[in-house]
Amino acid sequence: DVKVTQSSRYLVKRTGEKVFLECVQDMDHENMFWYRQDPGLGLRLIYFSYDVKMKEKGDIPEGYSVSREKKERFSLILESASTNQTSMYLCASSRNEQFFGPGTRLTVL
Amino acid sequence: AQSVTQLGSHVSVSEGALVLLRCNYSSSVPPYLFWYVQYPNQGLQLLLKYTSAATLVKGINGFEAEFKKSETSFHLTKPSAHMSDAAEYFCAVSKDSSYKLIFGSGTRLLVRP
Repeated sequence: DVKVTQSSRYLVKRTGEKVFLECVQDMDHENMFWYRQDPGLGLRLIYFSYDVKMKEKGDIPEGYSVSREKKERFSLILESASTNQTSMYLCASSRNEQFFGPGTRLTVL
Repeated sequence: AQSVTQLGSHVSVSEGALVLLRCNYSSSVPPYLFWYVQYPNQGLQLLLKYTSAATLVKGINGFEAEFKKSETSFHLTKPSAHMSDAAEYFCAVSKDSSYKLIFGSGTRLLVRP
């Protein structure tokens, strides 16, 4: 079975902190994605990556950056967390279909 | 540009009743269409996908969806709801099976005993 893991299920941070969300997949997928999920808005794409060291902006990249140094790992970085970044963050990887991790619920106080 | 509209943020059915969750899409290219399910405190799980083969697609847990190009719809159905079907359901569109997904806003299915 494909497995996508995220480093934390729940995270609480303070405004202005730098936040790292980690995602690891074990199926050698080229494509990896970061989404945020908010009630009534569904999932919105933040960034995606088609290969190591390659990244492309999604629909809502402002306030976020990403890093993909190894094929299996895709990190989402909040340079200076703000309260409007409180959300559920979901990572996915794909070859022929997207497989999702369990999500990280981030609260920024 | 691609977009997805899910009609009804909440749908409530009785156990054993028909489940119908509506999804309409817009796409300038032949679309790939997906239904995902999310159980509480979990990630998304693929229910089924349409990739331009058969227009009636069967998925897991007894769900199926029919691609209707003339109506730009991809509604999800299940003949008989089970309590375990209570979850949030997301419709999504993409230009191919591994490309980024555009999601609808989701429909929460409630199943009454």
